[in-house]
Amino acid sequence: GQQVQQSPASLVLQEGENAELQCNFSTSLNSMQWFYQRPEGSLVSLFYNPSGTKQSGRLTSTTVIKERRSSLHISSSQITDSGTYLCAMGSGGSNAKLTFGKGTKLSVKS
Amino acid sequence: AQTIHQWPVAEIKAVGSPLSLGCTIKGKSSPNLYWYWQATGGTLQQLFYSITVGQVESVVQLNLSASRPKDDQFILSTEKLLLSHSGFYLCAWSLQISNERLFFGHGTKLSVL
Repeated sequence: GQQVQQSPASLVLQEGENAELQCNFSTSLNSMQWFYQRPEGSLVSLFYNPSGTKQSGRLTSTTVIKERRSSLHISSSQITDSGTYLCAMGSGGSNAKLTFGKGTKLSVKS
Repeated sequence: AQTIHQWPVAEIKAVGSPLSLGCTIKGKSSPNLYWYWQATGGTLQQLFYSITVGQVESVVQLNLSASRPKDDQFILSTEKLLLSHSGFYLCAWSLQISNERLFFGHGTKLSVL
């Protein structure tokens, strides 16, 4: 079946440092999204990025379809960036099923 | 603007008791609707999807059922809860099945004791 591998599983940064989160897919993908998961579980959509590079403030997402990978770059990290980041791929099936990774738990310290 | 509302926010239920979780989408006609579930410490996975009123497809068998009684409403239910049903339930909608861009509600935390 489809697999989504996220790395690293956890990351600790000093405030101001940059972070690079990776997502690798075992099969070809039709779409991919990055989410931030709040501690209580709800999801914040960060990027819908099937291919190429998108930027929003300090966040940049890059998806390379041929290499079956996507990355999320966080620049100048802040304490409020702490939390879990999830990537999810869609394979273009008839049910818009997203396959999620297990997430990267980011902790930013002062 | 589209809004998605889930209820309840949280539930604590006994094993063997019934369950009903709901989701309403406003501001969008004929959305595609989905239920996702995340066990504590687990990975989010799709449970059900619905393209139109009255039609629901099951993706994962968890002794749960789903219904879509109205265009803007999606219900998740079971008559007998299991301990393994505990976790976080998310409802989502999309405009097009093909582009797979999903928008999620705030979720319901379910604890089965």
